[in-house]
Amino acid sequence: AQSVTQPDIHITVSEGASLELRCNYSYGATPYLFWYVQSPGQGLQLLLKYFSGDTLVQGIKGFEAEFKRSQSSFNLRKPSVHWSDAAEYFCAVPNSGYALNFGKGTSLLVTP
Amino acid sequence: DAEITQSPRHKITETGRQVTLACHQTWNHNNMFWYRQDLGHGLRLIHYSYGVQDTNKGEVSDGYSVSRSNTEDLPLTLESAASSQTSVYFCASSESSQGNGYTFGSGTRLTVV
Repeated sequence: AQSVTQPDIHITVSEGASLELRCNYSYGATPYLFWYVQSPGQGLQLLLKYFSGDTLVQGIKGFEAEFKRSQSSFNLRKPSVHWSDAAEYFCAVPNSGYALNFGKGTSLLVTP
Repeated sequence: DAEITQSPRHKITETGRQVTLACHQTWNHNNMFWYRQDLGHGLRLIHYSYGVQDTNKGEVSDGYSVSRSNTEDLPLTLESAASSQTSVYFCASSESSQGNGYTFGSGTRLTVV
């Protein structure tokens, strides 16, 4: 089955530093790939998505992600992190239908 | 504005009771999904529906049921609540395309005592 793996459970970065969250996918063909963000006590919000075309995808809140087929990765990046970016981040890929399989998430802590 | 709402936001129930969590969307989406979120497990799919009268089991469907009698609603029923079902439950909806992603509700925190 199509799946994604997020190797990092927790990430801590200083405010203003750059960020990269890792996501590796298992999928036979070129997949749709998604990144979602969950602020504390909230539902999930779509940050960005990829399907074919440019391998560098721009999203909301200043985030971007790069699709690398050779590495089966779709890593999320942000050049300069703000304290408000502290949240849980999920990578996701569709299963054989319309349902999404989510990674276990990466919790981002931003320090002053 | 279109939205997806879950109710209640919080619920405490006793072991063995039947519990129904509501999900209502005004996006006119065909697809609706229920997930549970637990520490260390991320989001796991419970049930989903691709249209009226259509329901399908997900990864962790045991002890749960859904029914879809109209486009807007997909209630999730716990037939006999167990402590292992203490979790945060999220409903989501989407259009019928793999590329659109989901719109999520705000979640229901269920505690079974």
